[in-house]
Amino acid sequence: NAGVTQTPKFRVLKTGQSMTLLCAQDMNHEYMYWYRQDPGMGLRLIHYSVGEGTTAKGEVPDGYNVSRLKKQNFLLGLESAAPSQTSVYFCASSRSTGAVLGNQPQHFGDGTRLSIL
Amino acid sequence: GNSVTQMEGPVTLSEEAFLTINCTYTATGYPSLFWYVQYPGEGLQLLLKATKADDKGSNKGFEATYRKETTSFHLEKGSVQVSDSAVYFCALQTPLGSGSARQLTFGSGTQLTVLP
Repeated sequence: NAGVTQTPKFRVLKTGQSMTLLCAQDMNHEYMYWYRQDPGMGLRLIHYSVGEGTTAKGEVPDGYNVSRLKKQNFLLGLESAAPSQTSVYFCASSRSTGAVLGNQPQHFGDGTRLSIL
Repeated sequence: GNSVTQMEGPVTLSEEAFLTINCTYTATGYPSLFWYVQYPGEGLQLLLKATKADDKGSNKGFEATYRKETTSFHLEKGSVQVSDSAVYFCALQTPLGSGSARQLTFGSGTQLTVLP
């Protein structure tokens, strides 16, 4: 029962370095999301995807890129890391929503703690 | 825009005490409302939800009622346990753009510590 799996769990980067965070879900969910969690601010949506090959910007997309080449995977990339991107990153997935299914809850991974020095 | 205002913590209670964590929201339309719980070192887990006015969500002894007239979704539990110690997030879910995707807007979280 893996659910949503994020790798890595921890990473320390230097300013200007690049890296990719991987999210994998085994629930056959259509929708996937990347959030960042900062102290006192709750979670904020970075990017999301409603299906394989499609992505869209969320509330705080600057400095990040994403890709959804396979339905089960959603990658978050930092091309040139900045200290302001120090945060805990959460991936989530959900079934598609609609009149029949209603609002579906999002299922979260355990997070990736990223520090940018 | 959408927003969620949550009771500030931290909250410290003794075991078997009554818990209330206040949550109010601002949103257009009729959002779904959720409470998520985050245990140390883990991701967020759905605790309960309500999708329309006057709905009551409940799970593991926790309850919250969707009050449209007061735009509130307060979390309650009659008798807390040490194992309930965690951070609790209130959230509302609204459409993303014109499609069917949904966005969660979270409150800032309330840290609950229950002492034996």
